[in-house]
Amino acid sequence: QVQLQQSGPGLVKPSQTLSLTCAISGDSVSSNSATWNWIRQSPSRGLEWLGRTFYRSKWSNDYAVSVKGRITINPDTSKNQFSLQLNSVTPEDTAVFYCARGNYNRSNALYHGMGVWGQGTTVTVSS
Amino acid sequence: DIVVTQSPLSLPVTPGEPASISCRSSQSLLYSNGYNYLDWYLQKPGQSPQLLIYLGSNRASGVPDRFSGSGSGTDFTLKISRVEAEDVGVYYCMQTVQAPFIFGPGTKVDIK
Repeated sequence: QVQLQQSGPGLVKPSQTLSLTCAISGDSVSSNSATWNWIRQSPSRGLEWLGRTFYRSKWSNDYAVSVKGRITINPDTSKNQFSLQLNSVTPEDTAVFYCARGNYNRSNALYHGMGVWGQGTTVTVSS
Repeated sequence: DIVVTQSPLSLPVTPGEPASISCRSSQSLLYSNGYNYLDWYLQKPGQSPQLLIYLGSNRASGVPDRFSGSGSGTDFTLKISRVEAEDVGVYYCMQTVQAPFIFGPGTKVDIK
């Protein structure tokens, strides 16, 4: 059974970098049948998909337009986890952040939804 | 980016009665493989979202069969055949046909 465990600070100062980690158990970050996603939720933005990393012979990333240029999602194969870094944060980045696994059928690579989510991390941007 | 809308945004329901939520996309979610890339998620109070439906009409593992998804292209529907008290929460659709993935604004379902 795949599980995701999030960690990271709950308070970040404006203009600094928000960093969160999502540790994976029961699967590999290098899996060819998964993608590793970050999503945030705030009252003003609702649920917002931020981006993903995945391995298909090589590593690839996709990012939301709203955070492009400020966001980096990196895999860490040595620790079997992936991370989110969001630079130059402002109070508008205050949100609950989730990591989630996108599942793909191993035989036909068909997408099967984001069936596993982390527990959520509340991050407040404030001085 | 694709724009995703939902209606209604609030849905009071009576246990035992059916319920229906609509999701519309500004672009077709029908991919070249013949599948519609539209997910449905339920976020119960105080919990992380949970997957209900993927590819428009496929129930995720463990999801009760009172939940069903239908639709194609730009118009989709989530139906609950008989609402139970445990179904309260916010329902979101999400397009996954192309990155960036976009969630709908959510439909809050509560008991009348």
